[in-house]
Amino acid sequence: SSELTQDPAVSVALGQTVRITCQGDSLSSYYASWYQQKPGQAPLLVVYGKNIRPSGMPDRFSGSSSGNTASLTITGALAEDEADYYCNSRDTSGNHWVFGGGTKLTVL
Amino acid sequence: EVHLVESGGGLVKPGGSLRLSCAASGFTFSDYSMNWVRQAPGKGLEWVSYISTSSSHTYYADSLKGRFTISRDNVKNFLFLQMNSLRAEDTGVYYCARVAGLPSTLDYWGQGALVTVSS
Repeated sequence: SSELTQDPAVSVALGQTVRITCQGDSLSSYYASWYQQKPGQAPLLVVYGKNIRPSGMPDRFSGSSSGNTASLTITGALAEDEADYYCNSRDTSGNHWVFGGGTKLTVL
Repeated sequence: EVHLVESGGGLVKPGGSLRLSCAASGFTFSDYSMNWVRQAPGKGLEWVSYISTSSSHTYYADSLKGRFTISRDNVKNFLFLQMNSLRAEDTGVYYCARVAGLPSTLDYWGQGALVTVSS
C-alpha cells in the first residue's frame, strides 16, 4: 500500500490562482485524479490523467505532475470553487486505490 | 446518462451485517470495473474495494481484514457490498463509483448510502 499527502487547507482570493498539491510514491507510476466535494454531495471528478477534464468541467481547472507530486491548479478561482478537493491514484502495487486526506479550499 | 444509485444502508448493531446495493444504468455495466469508497462523518474519502468487469479480480483495503465482500450481477446491472462483523468505525457514507478506462479514474459516483453502526 502507499499514501497520498495533501495540505489540509488552502485559501485563495477571489479571481486569483491556487495550486493544490498531492505527494506520494505511487504518483511516479500512476496518474492522479482530482475530485471536488461540496458539503452533502458526492465527489465530482475534476481532472485526471495527463490533464484531462471530464465533459463540462470548466477549463480553469488543470492538472500537472512532476515526479511523485501531482498538482491541481484553479486559474481565476470563483466562489463556487470553495470545496474539499481529494487526489487519488492506484497504489504502488497497482491493485489497490488510495486517496489523499483532502484539502479544504476557501475562496476569500 | 450514467446513473448509480446506492441502497441498503441503515442502522445496525456492532457485530451485525448489512448488504449494500448499487443500481447502475445509462451505460453497459459489464464493460466497467467498479469500486466502493466510504467516508466517515467529517472525514476524508477511503477506498474500500474493487471488482473487475467479470468479477475475476477483487481487491480490498487492508483495514477491512476480510469482513467485506464485493460482488456484481452483470445481468441485472447491480454492484453489491456484503459487510459483516460491523464495527463503529465502519460508520459512514458508502459510495459506488465507476472505473473509467485508461488512465484509471473514478468518473461517476452514486449519491451514497449511509451506514450507521451503533448499539
